[in-house]
Amino acid sequence: EAGVAQSPRYKIIEKRQSVAFWCNPISGHATLYWYQQILGQGPKLLIQFQNNGVVDDSQLPKDRFSAERLKGVDSTLKIQPAKLEDSAVYLCASSPSSTYNEQFFGPGTRLTVL
Amino acid sequence: QKEVEQNSGPLSVPEGAIASLNCTYSDRGSQSFFWYRQYSGKSPELIMSIYSNGDKEDGRFTAQLNKASQYVSLLIRDSQPSDSATYLCAVMDSSASKIIFGSGTRLSIRP
Repeated sequence: EAGVAQSPRYKIIEKRQSVAFWCNPISGHATLYWYQQILGQGPKLLIQFQNNGVVDDSQLPKDRFSAERLKGVDSTLKIQPAKLEDSAVYLCASSPSSTYNEQFFGPGTRLTVL
Repeated sequence: QKEVEQNSGPLSVPEGAIASLNCTYSDRGSQSFFWYRQYSGKSPELIMSIYSNGDKEDGRFTAQLNKASQYVSLLIRDSQPSDSATYLCAVMDSSASKIIFGSGTRLSIRP
């Protein structure tokens, strides 16, 4: 069974530029999560999708971050414009449902904003 | 603000000894608790979950839960160098809608 796929793995941009990350969850997983993990901290949930609907986006900085999950499968997270403090690893995770406790994480995208 | 607190470490333990990792949480209604292991530069992987008060053992790992004290711990017996990693405590909030992670404890097993 293929795991969660993410791309790109690394991205370096300058502040005020825009960037997009892509995630393909495990086949059949209805729930998809985007986390931000700053060095030395635990993952912080940015947004949670159940199929293609948003369950929780309370910690998503909506003035600059956006996410979508078209057709309930792949998802894209965008930052526009980026700030220095957005430098972090962006992790995508999926689970069979929101009530299934184990989340399976992708390899992450390391973003550096200069 | 629901919180999960961990000592950041590093915790240094000799090979073969028992490593003890601790976590406290603020949401008294939480029912599901998890320990994830994260190697440097890698993504978290689930190693233990616990839902009831008491101990749960899986191989060299034992999770302990005390809901009255809002305390979760992870014991690693016969510690190996391969156990050197950051251990993240995670708690599902009382609404059962999302998992909140602690900042992790960095564990180093010295030969």
